[in-house]
Amino acid sequence: DTGVSQNPRHKITKRGQNVTFRCDPISEHNRLYWYRQTLGQGPEFLTYFQNEAQLEKSRLLSDRFSAERPKGSFSTLEIQRTEQGDSAMYLCASSRLNEKLFFGSGTQLSVL
Amino acid sequence: GDSVTQMEGPVTLSEEAFLTINCTYTATGYPSLFWYVQYPGEGLQLLLKATKADDKGSNKGFEATYRKETTSFHLEKGSVQVSDSAVYFCALSDQAGTALIFGKGTTLSVSS
Repeated sequence: DTGVSQNPRHKITKRGQNVTFRCDPISEHNRLYWYRQTLGQGPEFLTYFQNEAQLEKSRLLSDRFSAERPKGSFSTLEIQRTEQGDSAMYLCASSRLNEKLFFGSGTQLSVL
Repeated sequence: GDSVTQMEGPVTLSEEAFLTINCTYTATGYPSLFWYVQYPGEGLQLLLKATKADDKGSNKGFEATYRKETTSFHLEKGSVQVSDSAVYFCALSDQAGTALIFGKGTTLSVSS
């Protein structure tokens, strides 16, 4: 059990650019979650997958955000045409069905 | 919608002091309740949970009791240590039991 791995740890980009983050869950965890955390706030749910199916999306996930989990293993979160308001820590978590979530250390995005 | 309110921080204590971090929630139905902890530089970790009214979750000397009548889930520890310094998040599961809804977090700083 190597834990949930997120890459990169930090990403600095200019407004209007596209960015992509990767999450590698704990192997055999069939659920994978994305959360966003801004300074002084708790994590906010964005979306989750069960295997390769994206089963729920928060209204926070605008059209500029897309997440995939093509083979039910790793996942990517892409943000198109980044805005300064997208600056946040993006957290990934994984779990077995109805078991506790394990969180990664996150990707810190800064949009200049 | 469902929400979690936890006491503002930071909380500053001396080693061996008693700790209480208040958490109240608003939810339809009967959510599960959680406390997560985030140590500096690390990902969120589940500290304890309770799944129904009057359940007490406990771990590492921390306790919290699910109080349906007061919609509360206060975190307590009888004697804190310097190593308990971290950010503590109260959370509940949404109606579908998939997404977690977090409070804003409370920073605890323990000095020797």
